[in-house]
Amino acid sequence: AQTVTQSQPEMSVQEAETVTLSCTYDTSESDYYLFWYKQPPSRQMILVIRQEAYKQQNATENRFSVNFQKAAKSFSLKISDSQLGDAAMYFCAYRSAAGANSKLTFGKGITLSVRP
Amino acid sequence: KAGVTQTPRYLIKTRGQQVTLSCSPISGHRSVSWYQQTPGQGLQFLFEYFSETQRNKGNFPGRFSGRQFSNSRSEMNVSTLELGDSALYLCASSLMVSSYNSPLHFGNGTRLTVT
Repeated sequence: AQTVTQSQPEMSVQEAETVTLSCTYDTSESDYYLFWYKQPPSRQMILVIRQEAYKQQNATENRFSVNFQKAAKSFSLKISDSQLGDAAMYFCAYRSAAGANSKLTFGKGITLSVRP
Repeated sequence: KAGVTQTPRYLIKTRGQQVTLSCSPISGHRSVSWYQQTPGQGLQFLFEYFSETQRNKGNFPGRFSGRQFSNSRSEMNVSTLELGDSALYLCASSLMVSSYNSPLHFGNGTRLTVT
């Protein structure tokens, strides 16, 4: 079974600075997808960024980028120029590329606070 | 375009009762997934429906059930409630079965408290 580990329960960053959130996963599959979701106090999970395992190029979405290390099974999220609105819980998630298994496996999440 | 709508937002029930939660997906989305979120276990997959058929099921007891209607709206039912069922229940929809190119869009969840 696949597992996703987010070992840091909390992190803090100064506004306008850069922060990296760590995520590791365990799988025996070679093809899969990885996601970062953000959950603000409103409780709604919002997709931040996604990565296909067979693509070596790291995904980027504006201020958000990932460092995907397939051999190390690591998928960290970098937030540049942090803003107050980035404060939220962030979840790393894994999904198998096998069509029959469509569920997302989530990590426990990390609470990010942004200091003004 | 309206997002995923979950009702009610909050619910308080007593042990032994049953509860039904509702989810209206984004217009045009045919797949609906349900997740349970608790502080201890995090987010756990319950089930996924596509075109009124259950496609995938998580490791939850049979007290947890769901269904999807022809308009893609979905309901989740929990019977014989236990204290441990207290959680945030999140519904998510996607255009097709959840995949990279058809990512999940989540609702605001229903907070269920069992006393």
